[in-house]
Amino acid sequence: ETGVTQSPTHLIKTRGQQVTLRCSSQSGHNTVSWYQQALGQGPQFIFQYYREEENGRGNFPPRFSGLQFPNYSSELNVNALELDDSALYLCASSLVSDTDTQYFGPGTRLTVL
Amino acid sequence: AQSVTQLGSHVSVSEGALVLLRCNYSSSVPPYLFWYVQYPNQGLQLLLKYTSAATLVKGINGFEAEFKKSETSFHLTKPSAHMSDAAEYFCAVSDRQTGANNLFFGTGTRLTVIP
Repeated sequence: ETGVTQSPTHLIKTRGQQVTLRCSSQSGHNTVSWYQQALGQGPQFIFQYYREEENGRGNFPPRFSGLQFPNYSSELNVNALELDDSALYLCASSLVSDTDTQYFGPGTRLTVL
Repeated sequence: AQSVTQLGSHVSVSEGALVLLRCNYSSSVPPYLFWYVQYPNQGLQLLLKYTSAATLVKGINGFEAEFKKSETSFHLTKPSAHMSDAAEYFCAVSDRQTGANNLFFGTGTRLTVIP
C-alpha cells in the first residue's frame, strides 16, 4: 500500500469562492494526477504533474490549477467556484519504477452551495 | 483517443454466483487497461492491470480479467461472489500517447451481491 493521503476529507464552499485541496504521496512518487468524480460518474482527469511541472491536462478551465512540491505533496486550486464543481476530488500518484500504475487517495468531497 | 465503455450500470448476483462485469475499450495504440474498485465514501483501489504481457490477468480478491484484442474487451470476472464484493467497479484505459499516463474511466458498474 502506497499511502496516498488527502485533506480535508470534506469541504463546503459557496459559489465564487476559492478552494485549495491537498495531497501527500510517498517518497519515490514523482508523478501526481488529479481527478474530479461527479456523483454517479467515473473520475475525469484534471491534470498531471511530473517533477513539479504540469505534464498533461484534461478538459478543465484555467481556474483549475495545481502545484507539486519537492516533498511529494501537491495542491489543487479552484478559483471562482461554480455549483457544478461539487464533486469528489481524487489525487493519484505513481512510483518511479511503475509509472503506469496510479495509486489513489481517499478523496476530498467538495460541496459548493 | 482512448475511451472505455462499461455495459450495465448495475449488476446483481447471488452470493456464490459468477461475477461478470463488462468493459470494451477504444484505443489508437496498444492499450494499458485497468480495473479499479471503489467502496462507499472511499477512493479507488487497483484490482488488476493489463500492460501487454499475459492476456489473462489475475488480480486481488479472486478477480481476473482477460484482454481480447479481437473483441476490444477487458471483462472482469470472479467465479464466486462474496458479500464483500459489493461496490462500484471502474474500467480504465491509460493515455499512452501524450506521455502523461492519465486514465480514462468508464462510468462504472455497481455490483450488488444478494445473500
